[in-house]
Amino acid sequence: DTAVSQTPKYLVTQMGNDKSIKCEQNLGHDTMYWYKQDSKKFLKIMFSYNNKELIINETVPNRFSPKSPDKAHLNLHINSLELGDSAVYFCASSRRLAGVNEQFFGPGTRLTVL
Amino acid sequence: GEDVEQSLFLSVREGDSSVINCTYTDSSSTYLYWYKQEPGAGLQLLTYIFSNMDMKQDQRLTVLLNKKDKHLSLRIADTQTGDSAIYFCAESKDGGATNKLIFGTGTLLAVQP
Repeated sequence: DTAVSQTPKYLVTQMGNDKSIKCEQNLGHDTMYWYKQDSKKFLKIMFSYNNKELIINETVPNRFSPKSPDKAHLNLHINSLELGDSAVYFCASSRRLAGVNEQFFGPGTRLTVL
Repeated sequence: GEDVEQSLFLSVREGDSSVINCTYTDSSSTYLYWYKQEPGAGLQLLTYIFSNMDMKQDQRLTVLLNKKDKHLSLRIADTQTGDSAIYFCAESKDGGATNKLIFGTGTLLAVQP
């Protein structure tokens, strides 16, 4: 059983297009995240939702819009894609227990903008 | 600041010990973590340490924390080829509402047979 799943795994698209990435977790967690990992493997938090409420919104262009229809899903929509958006996008989820923040990551979505 | 620094690359022979180092800047971090990323996969939590501890051992893994120098290390004993991966340290602030983790720059561990 996949704990955190993302679709699609690969996404190749032209500059200027709009695309979405979907994420689902079946762990019963109440917090979900989107991260961006660039070609140098640097990992940066983009957004986080707790119980469908946005709680982290880093300095990300407003072309990126997260949506959480329920606690188990967090989708990422990107408008007007640019070359610099090419990266691997990871979804993650967690549940706070005794202060430890163990995050469970999805397999990633490799986005290539041509 | 929020910069968490790691050396980029470490190469060891199978059976040797590996030591991966991390320097963080936020002294209020309550927990510090080590995550592992295998090729083509997401990150996976390996171990963590509470900031009032200076050492934690978990089978082949030993975490050392020097709060004065804001230095964290991960020692892997008897390193195996299956340990080849990118290792990320991360810090988080307990008590906040955001569950935010700040990840280090990552260290690529290459284990030679």
